[in-house]
Amino acid sequence: GAGVSQSPSNKVTEKGKDVELRCDPISGHTALYWYRQSLGQGLEFLIYFQGNSAPDKSGLPSDRFSAERTGGSVSTLTIQRTQQEDSAVYLCASSLPLAGTREGRWQFFGPGTRLTVL
Amino acid sequence: GNSVTQMEGPVTLSEEAFLTINCTYTATGYPSLFWYVQYPGEGLQLLLKATKADDKGSNKGFEATYRKETTSFHLEKGSVQVSDSAVYFCALSETHSTLTFGKGTMLLVSP
Repeated sequence: GAGVSQSPSNKVTEKGKDVELRCDPISGHTALYWYRQSLGQGLEFLIYFQGNSAPDKSGLPSDRFSAERTGGSVSTLTIQRTQQEDSAVYLCASSLPLAGTREGRWQFFGPGTRLTVL
Repeated sequence: GNSVTQMEGPVTLSEEAFLTINCTYTATGYPSLFWYVQYPGEGLQLLLKATKADDKGSNKGFEATYRKETTSFHLEKGSVQVSDSAVYFCALSETHSTLTFGKGTMLLVSP
């Protein structure tokens, strides 16, 4: 498909288990972002990848959260020892880099993964 | 740090009514401003954007003007439709283009 895809669309897990969420960005988009959408917190930035640069991890809420981006394309967000407060919709977005311009970068969002921690 | 504040919802309107959803922001630099929309059961979509003061973003009959003096980016539409029912997010982008979002405003339009 032409858009950002995420899998799984829904994930139910037990407290304490690890989960992996996958994002396939739009082909050719070198920038990739993860966000979290939860009740009461709205949309929060988690992590940003741009090409081969070191990722911006400033939004990750704890060291239980990590993300990788292999080959500059697919990304995996891993949550270890899940807690109930991790329940949220995890959104991935990708964009083209427009370095040197002030043009706002269009971020194209995937449909999200709804994570429920029991 | 950066922040975005938007009016709490839900906003309930009749079809063809005028819509305003207020959005104000705090930023350390000179951000780009966005409105995203999330229709029921769907992902986030960019609705419109503005990158500098006095720019007006527009799309699908919606408009918002970047007001630096009031640090605002209010969303307006002259005549809403039932199909506009959705959650609207105001957002800004500064460092690395990561987005800082408001908490979202639900719009409910009745026939």
